This record gives sequence, structure tokens and C-alpha cells, in this order.
Amino acid sequence: DIQMTQSPSSLSASVGDRVTITCQTSQDISHFLNWYQQKAGKAPKLLIYDASSLETGVPSRFSGSGSGTHFTLTISSLQPEDFATYYCQQYASFGGGTKVEIK
Amino acid sequence: QLQLQESGSGLVKPSQTLSLTCTVSGGSINSGGYSWNWIRQSPGKGLEWIGYIHHTESTHYNPSLKSRVTISADRSKTQFSLEMRSVTAADTAVYFCAADMRGVVRHWGQGILVTVSS
Repeated sequence: DIQMTQSPSSLSASVGDRVTITCQTSQDISHFLNWYQQKAGKAPKLLIYDASSLETGVPSRFSGSGSGTHFTLTISSLQPEDFATYYCQQYASFGGGTKVEIK
Repeated sequence: QLQLQESGSGLVKPSQTLSLTCTVSGGSINSGGYSWNWIRQSPGKGLEWIGYIHHTESTHYNPSLKSRVTISADRSKTQFSLEMRSVTAADTAVYFCAADMRGVVRHWGQGILVTVSS
């Protein structure tokens, strides 16, 4: 099984900050990496698929990059509605999550 | 637009069997390309993939759960189901059904909390 290591596990940031979350995989997965946002009590929501493709309807402040074993999710200017937990995923494997909290 | 809804018992006794059903609307589980998944989230924890049934009826399970889990589909009713045997308190979680295509999960149910307790 592929291991997915997300970092950091949590972070505190202010509205307007640039936020970067990383996901490292235990083996080369090419570009097959997706990012999700989950708010409390809700199902996850797809943000980015295939490492860098923005899902329809997702604000352009979200972007993804990377290939192989190292991937990043960037929020260019954090908005109040972005405070949530973010997960990377590749098929049957999820990262441990990154909780983005208000500083 | 594909919509999924979980149903089933929210309380299961230890050692018994957890049974959940996901009803699919806005599409068919016979649709080419989709896999129909169960994913769970223990309280305060991350997401854990349980398994899926493909539109071709092949199944694949998380190795750590494989011995206790069966996923099946009732295509005439556009439903798919999860059965988890010999549950313990560690199986208490919110269970999501979800549909993915090529590993990208665009469609999720709202989730159902299942508590294992006597």
C-alpha cells in the first residue's frame, strides 16, 4: 500500500495569508493525487484532481502542484471560509489531514 | 447530478454485524467507469477507505478490514451495501458512501454515524 504523509498536521494562519500544505507519497504516483477540503460535520469536497487540475466551481486561490512523490496544495490568500481540514488522496490511500485554524 | 444517501442502523452491539446501504440517484450504479466506495472517519480522526465495488462488479477491500467486510450491489434498486462483521468499539465512525472515477471522488453521501456499544 502507498503511504501518504501530509505536513503539517495543523497550522494557524490569518485571513490573507498564503498557506502551503505538502503531501509526500511512499512511491512514485505520477500525477495521480487529489486534494479535498472537509468542514466539521460535512463530507469532504474535491478541490484539486490529478495534482494540479482545479475542480469546477473551486476558487482560483486554490492550486496544486507536484508529481512523483512530492505534492503541494497552496491557498494564495486565505479566506474565512477556508478554515477546514485538508486531505490528500491517491486511490485507496488518504493523508492524515491538515487542520487549518484561525490565528 | 449524482447524489448518494446512506441509510442503516446507527447503533450496533459489539460482535454483531454493521449493515449500511447507499442509495444512488441521478445516475445508475451500472454506469461505466464509476467505482462505488465506502469510506469511514472515526471521531476526530482522518479518512479511512474501506473498499469499493466497481461497475463491473469486481470488489477491492482495505487489507486491514478485508476479513470482516463485504460490499455488494443491488443494481435493480440502484443501491450498494456494506456489511462489516464482528464489530468492536474501534469501528465507531461516520461512514460515507462515495463514487469515484479513476480514483477521483467527486460524489459523497452526507455520512451516517454508527456507534458500536452495548
